[in-house]
Amino acid sequence: EVQLVQSGAEVKKPGESLRISCKGSGYSFTTYWISWVRQMPEKGLEWMGRIDPGNSYTSYSPSFQGHVTISGDKSITTAYLQWSSLKASDTAMYYCARGHCRGGSCYFDDWGQGTLVTVSS
Amino acid sequence: DIQMTQSPSTLSASVGDRVTITCRASQTISKWLAWYQQKPGKAPKLLIFDASSLQSGVPSRFRGSGSGTELTLTISSLQPDDFATYFCQQYHSHPYTFGQGTKLEI
Repeated sequence: EVQLVQSGAEVKKPGESLRISCKGSGYSFTTYWISWVRQMPEKGLEWMGRIDPGNSYTSYSPSFQGHVTISGDKSITTAYLQWSSLKASDTAMYYCARGHCRGGSCYFDDWGQGTLVTVSS
Repeated sequence: DIQMTQSPSTLSASVGDRVTITCRASQTISKWLAWYQQKPGKAPKLLIFDASSLQSGVPSRFRGSGSGTELTLTISSLQPDDFATYFCQQYHSHPYTFGQGTKLEI
């Protein structure tokens, strides 16, 4: 069974750093890209970026480029999303999702359970 | 970025009804569209990919159709478990973008 298990909820202050994780199991981790998707409270879904776990190649949405960093460690089948300096506007639920991709075009066939990040002073 | 506009934003229906949700793209996306169902407090779940292909395990009452700039999700004979929010997602080009969602309520 494919599983993506995310790290737990976080409460942080503005300016703090944070890294959340997404551990894949039940499939060949390096075969599928992992994307991160943001969902702000009572809002829609926003694709942030993705990583190819096989070679750690990343690509980002222009809306998130420079604001977050996506990384991975294939030895422990885990992808990460990190911030160096959080803002209150980063408060959201963050999902990792497995991309079923062809030629770089991906839909998401399995999702993590979500990590709620709350940034408040 | 390709803008995805879903309609309606909210849809009131009853068990047994047939409903249709439309996703309009700001430019052609061919068939590169997926539909997801999301329930409160849960992650999205893939229903349809490539505009009309049913994901394994998804009931056949869900049907996707269309191509180009106007694509639809039809649910025939609504079941109680279907009341949720539905999102479309284009994967024709980067960045991938989602519709704003359609809340299907009783």
